Amino acid sequence: EVQLVESGGGLVQPGGSLRLSCAASGFTFGDYWMHWVRQVPEKGLVWVSRIKSDGSETNYADSVKGRFTISRDNAKNTLSLQMNSLRAEDTAVYYCARGVGGSRYFDYWGQGTLVTVSS
Amino acid sequence: QSALTQPASVSGSPGQSITISCTGTSSDVGGHNYVSWYQQHPGKAPKLMIFDVTNRPSGVPDRFSGSKSGNSASLTISGLQAEDEADYYCTSYTSSHTSVFGGGTKLTVL
Repeated sequence: EVQLVESGGGLVQPGGSLRLSCAASGFTFGDYWMHWVRQVPEKGLVWVSRIKSDGSETNYADSVKGRFTISRDNAKNTLSLQMNSLRAEDTAVYYCARGVGGSRYFDYWGQGTLVTVSS
Repeated sequence: QSALTQPASVSGSPGQSITISCTGTSSDVGGHNYVSWYQQHPGKAPKLMIFDVTNRPSGVPDRFSGSKSGNSASLTISGLQAEDEADYYCTSYTSSHTSVFGGGTKLTVL
């Protein structure tokens, strides 16, 4: 059974940093692109970032470019998102999702982890 | 990276059909056949309902169907059921190697 479990969310002050993790199981992690998608509570989904199966290629939404870094450890089946210079508008539930064919679609999602940026 | 345009809300009675539109540009919806649709119930993670414009994953009822014309895609749900009440999001791959979601549509089953 495919499982994606996010962790690392919490309360952080503006300008601070946080590192999210996504533990994957039930599939060959190194065969898939992985993505981060966020959702402000009661608002819509917003794509954040993606990373190629071997980690050699990454892409970011303009809103996080230069502040967030996506990475992966295929030996540990773990996806990460390092978030720096956090802003109030980064407050959201962050989901990791498995991408099929790169970014054709997202077939499995984690349950999400809440990040709150506030003083 | 402007969000795709979806109606904020749609509604229908049980047994009826509804259609949710998703409008983008030639750089996303119109430029690729990588449009997918997701259903999200309150407090839950999104669930894939349609991929590659028209395809249903196994387990998704055939009451759900997708289509695309030009820069717009659509999700149609026929034979509405109470459990279909949820938020629905479209997404598309873009020419910038990113993905973009629609703003979401709240479906109310009357």
